[in-house]
Amino acid sequence: ELKVEQNPLFLSMQEGKNYTIYCNYSTTSDRLYWYRQDPGKSLESLFVLLSNGAVKQEGRLMASLDTKARLSTLHITAAVHDLSATYFCAGRSGGYNKLIFGAGTRLAVHP
Amino acid sequence: NAGVTQTPKFQVLKTGQSMTLQCAQDMNHEYMSWYRQDPGMGLRLIHYSVGAGITDQGEVPNGYNVSRSTTEDFPLRLLSAAPSQTSVYFCASRRAEAGNTIYFGEGSWLTVV
Repeated sequence: ELKVEQNPLFLSMQEGKNYTIYCNYSTTSDRLYWYRQDPGKSLESLFVLLSNGAVKQEGRLMASLDTKARLSTLHITAAVHDLSATYFCAGRSGGYNKLIFGAGTRLAVHP
Repeated sequence: NAGVTQTPKFQVLKTGQSMTLQCAQDMNHEYMSWYRQDPGMGLRLIHYSVGAGITDQGEVPNGYNVSRSTTEDFPLRLLSAAPSQTSVYFCASRRAEAGNTIYFGEGSWLTVV
């Protein structure tokens, strides 16, 4: 059974700093998703990583996937306040899109 | 293009009552699913559907029923509401092709008292 663990669960960052959120998963997952959620809002898709070594970047966020290590990372470069949100990673269990989510990383960016 | 539309947005139920959360998508997506999100947790899959007339259980299906009579609609029924079903419910959909983005609705906040 696929299990997904994120760390850290809480992250307080200064503006301008860099940091990485880690997502470990327990068994084979053929893809890895990253989502952003603002308080009281729905989930916004950030990245879908489909293969080993995949790297995707959007603005100050960059996601990567290492299927051998069963690890995905979300790297934040030069954080700004607008990035404050909760970030979830999710692996896919079996076929279809039976997503298994991590518990989320609550990110707060402050001056 | 409305995307994934959920109704109602907020609902308070008494224990034992039944209700249906509605989900509709106008993107002609084959796959639809329902998740629940509890405080401080990620989403957990309740039920999913890969097409009209086809549904299956996810991680936490007990106490919920679904049906998929059309491609567009995927309602979630609470048979006899319990306080443990107090949660935020999200409907999601995507195309069948590999790698397609999963789109989530705005969520339905349900409180069972």
